[in-house]
Amino acid sequence: QKEVEQNSGPLSVPEGAIASLNCTYSDRGSQSFFWYRQYSGKSPELIMFIYSNGDKEDGRFTAQLNKASQYVSLLIRDSQPSDSATYLCARDTPLVFGKGTRLSVIA
Amino acid sequence: EPEVTQTPSHQVTQMGQEVILRCVPISNHLYFYWYRQILGQKVEFLVSFYNNEISEKSEIFDDQFSVERPDGSNFTLKIRSTKLEDSAMYFCASSEAMGYSYEQYFGPGTRLTVT
Repeated sequence: QKEVEQNSGPLSVPEGAIASLNCTYSDRGSQSFFWYRQYSGKSPELIMFIYSNGDKEDGRFTAQLNKASQYVSLLIRDSQPSDSATYLCARDTPLVFGKGTRLSVIA
Repeated sequence: EPEVTQTPSHQVTQMGQEVILRCVPISNHLYFYWYRQILGQKVEFLVSFYNNEISEKSEIFDDQFSVERPDGSNFTLKIRSTKLEDSAMYFCASSEAMGYSYEQYFGPGTRLTVT
């Protein structure tokens, strides 16, 4: 099975803290990885994608990819209550999603 | 900003009935997708569509499912004989092209309830 695994959470962080979300994948041939945010009852919306080993930063978000360890992460700096949502990790196209990690940012 | 639209937002149907879920992708996009999400479960790929034919499909997309682009704007998913386990949120998505640098834009979804 070419799975994407995530801890379902919930992950609770105080407002202003760094939230760290993790994802592992089983298919070594996977090329690209995506982080989506999904609010309850809504559709996924893309935060960012990464395909090279290392870090990629976009505003308060940093994606990290380690292909040797088959590990992807998303860091959210200065977390806000509005960041409270489920964060979905996905690989490749068509997208193969993990179950998502529920993040709760406490004001 | 252009967006993917889906109708209806909620569809209730009886087991064994046929349903058609409709999507209007973003106008200059060439690749179209259907995903589904059973309540509390992961988002699952069903099918991708390009140049008026299916380019890839998952194991979920069996003979009871079909897709069509009946005109220049709509993209539909038909479920021929619905089962209770087809109850889910169905998302349509579109992208300009295939590949990791082309974002898939998701529609708001159609919640299908099979009774």
